[in-house]
Amino acid sequence: EDKVVQSPLSLVVHEGDTVTLNCSYEVTNFRSLLWYKQEKKAPTFLFMLTSSGIEKKSGRLSSILDKKELSSILNITATQTGDSAIYLCARGGTYKYIFGTGTRLKVLA
Amino acid sequence: EPEVTQTPSHQVTQMGQEVILRCVPISNHLYFYWYRQILGQKVEFLVSFYNNEISEKSEIFDDQFSVERPDGSNFTLKIRSTKLEDSAMYFCASSEETGLGEKLFFGSGTQLSVL
Repeated sequence: EDKVVQSPLSLVVHEGDTVTLNCSYEVTNFRSLLWYKQEKKAPTFLFMLTSSGIEKKSGRLSSILDKKELSSILNITATQTGDSAIYLCARGGTYKYIFGTGTRLKVLA
Repeated sequence: EPEVTQTPSHQVTQMGQEVILRCVPISNHLYFYWYRQILGQKVEFLVSFYNNEISEKSEIFDDQFSVERPDGSNFTLKIRSTKLEDSAMYFCASSEETGLGEKLFFGSGTQLSVL
C-alpha cells in the first residue's frame, strides 16, 4: 500500500523548545511533498517541497526534503502555544495527495 | 485570498438517507477533490475530478458515492444511502494542477453526522 508515515504521533513540549517532525513515504516517483497545519477544521498550507536538499523557510518553521531517504522533516524553533496543532504531510501523486497520520503537537506555556 | 467554500458546515441525517455536500472550488482551479476525516483519524482521499470526470478514486469511494460538477462552479459529493460509518468531516479541495508542485487548497469542511 502507498503509505505516508509520520513520527512521532504526538509530542508535548514547552514554549521555547525546538521540535522536529518526521515524514516518510514509500513511492519514489512523486512530484511534491506538502506540509499542513490542522488546528480546528481544515488543514492550512505550510510548505511544498519538490526538490531534494532545498530548505523552505517561513519564520520559525522550516522544512526540507530528502528524496534519497524518502523523507522530509519539519522544524519549528522557539515554539509557542499557538503552534499547538496537528501537523500533516502529504505526498502529491498524479491525481491525489496521500496524507500521513499526522503529528499532534502540544506546546505548554 | 481566494478560498474553497463548503456548505453546509454541519449536516445531521438518518441512516439510509441521501445527503449532498456542496463545494465551490477556487475559480481558476482545474482539479477538485473530496477527502474525509473520521474523528481522530487521518485525512483520507476519496476522489479526484478533472475535466468533468473522475480521475482517481479510493476504495472508500464505492457505489454509494458520486460526484458532480453541475453548473461550472459547484462541485458536489452525494452519498446515496448513508451509513453510521459515513459520519466524518468531509473536506473539499482544489488545485490548479495536480502532482506538479501545486498546493491543495481546502474548504472548511462539512461535519456529517449519521444517526
